[in-house]
Amino acid sequence: GDSVTQMEGPVTLSEEAFLTINCTYTATGYPSLFWYVQYPGEGLQLLLKATKADDKGSNKGFEATYRKETTSFHLEKGSVQVSDSAVYFCALSGAGGTSYGKLTFGQGTILTVHP
Amino acid sequence: EAGVTQFPSHSVIEKGQTVTLRCDPISGHDNLYWYRRVMGKEIKFLLHFVKESKQDESGMPNNRFLAERTGGTYSTLKVQPAELEDSGVYFCASSLGPEQYFGPGTRLTVT
Repeated sequence: GDSVTQMEGPVTLSEEAFLTINCTYTATGYPSLFWYVQYPGEGLQLLLKATKADDKGSNKGFEATYRKETTSFHLEKGSVQVSDSAVYFCALSGAGGTSYGKLTFGQGTILTVHP
Repeated sequence: EAGVTQFPSHSVIEKGQTVTLRCDPISGHDNLYWYRRVMGKEIKFLLHFVKESKQDESGMPNNRFLAERTGGTYSTLKVQPAELEDSGVYFCASSLGPEQYFGPGTRLTVT
């Protein structure tokens, strides 16, 4: 079945450091890929998405590129801030040709940014 | 525009009791999803409604879980009887298209 694997956390960085959170997936067909973020005390929010190979999703300084050849969707940010401290989830949907269907999530990566 | 809301935010019950969780989707969203995250593991899909119909309930763990969406508006998820392993955070999401909008979740603790 479909699956998403994220790098183990937690990740602790100093402010202005470079961030990479690795995400790889296994799926049939051509899924859409997402990064969701959960800030403390809040629900999940969509951070960015990509719907086809070589698409780059970006938002709030975060970027991720849909790499079909390596089945990856790594999240990057050039300079993190304390306010980026949150749990980050990689997810996919639409594999196997189904649309508007369930999301399959990775296990989440806790990011803590210190001043 | 109001987002997805869930009630209650927290629930603590004893093993064997019944709990009903409620989700109010964004108005006009035909798709409604339930997910849960147990013990810091990955968020897992439970089921998907399109309007009042169950489109996919492949993630429902067993027959102690019953989800309804009467009238195609809000949805309830009942756990009866609750077991210790049901503890976790239950998320609801709604959508018109592929992007799903999540509620804040209900944290369920079964003691």
